[in-house]
Amino acid sequence: DAGVIQSPRHEVTEMGQEVTLRCKPISGHNSLFWYRQTMMRGLELLIYFNNNVPIDDSGMPEDRFSAKMPNASFSTLKIQPSEPRDSAVYFCASSPRQGDTEAFFGQGTRLTVV
Amino acid sequence: GIQVEQSPPDLILQEGANSTLRCNFSDSVNNLQWFHQNPWGQLINLFYIPSGTKQNGRLSATTVATERYSLLYISSSQTTDSGVYFCAVKSRNYGGSQGNLIFGKGTKLSVKP
Repeated sequence: DAGVIQSPRHEVTEMGQEVTLRCKPISGHNSLFWYRQTMMRGLELLIYFNNNVPIDDSGMPEDRFSAKMPNASFSTLKIQPSEPRDSAVYFCASSPRQGDTEAFFGQGTRLTVV
Repeated sequence: GIQVEQSPPDLILQEGANSTLRCNFSDSVNNLQWFHQNPWGQLINLFYIPSGTKQNGRLSATTVATERYSLLYISSSQTTDSGVYFCAVKSRNYGGSQGNLIFGKGTKLSVKP
């Protein structure tokens, strides 16, 4: 398996623009996670899905952030409008199921908002 | 929610030295993982170890779930071991949040040649 695939790897955008990050989980995995990593806050869970349904989105910072999982093999994280403080590395991860299973991470998307 | 504390925050070693990294957590867990984030930012799975002991080459890990801690041992360290080591856990006891994998702040390891 190719692992968790994220795109793009790097994104530079201007403040106010819409940004869409993409993730393809490992085939057969039913849980998907979006994380954000910054120097100040470390690795924060933004949202996780189980069987394509959002289970916990309490980590989503504000209404400018939204995430969808239209099917088992694809998820998006959208920021609209983007702000400089959204600059971070965004990771997607997947695991076979909720609970006691191992999670695997993609290579991340480094987002810079100028 | 569950709290995860890692120590030490920073560690500098000479190549060839051994080290022990610690992860304490505040509640019962059904998942504990150790990751290595390399200098390129990749999060690499080291161990999935909610309990017991595992070994993989120069690395080994032990989780004592009843006492709520886990240890990662690195023996004969190499410069390529440099990076940040994260512990992450999933709590048994937070209802719909049971799927949440919560990270500690990490231990930054620098191995000098």
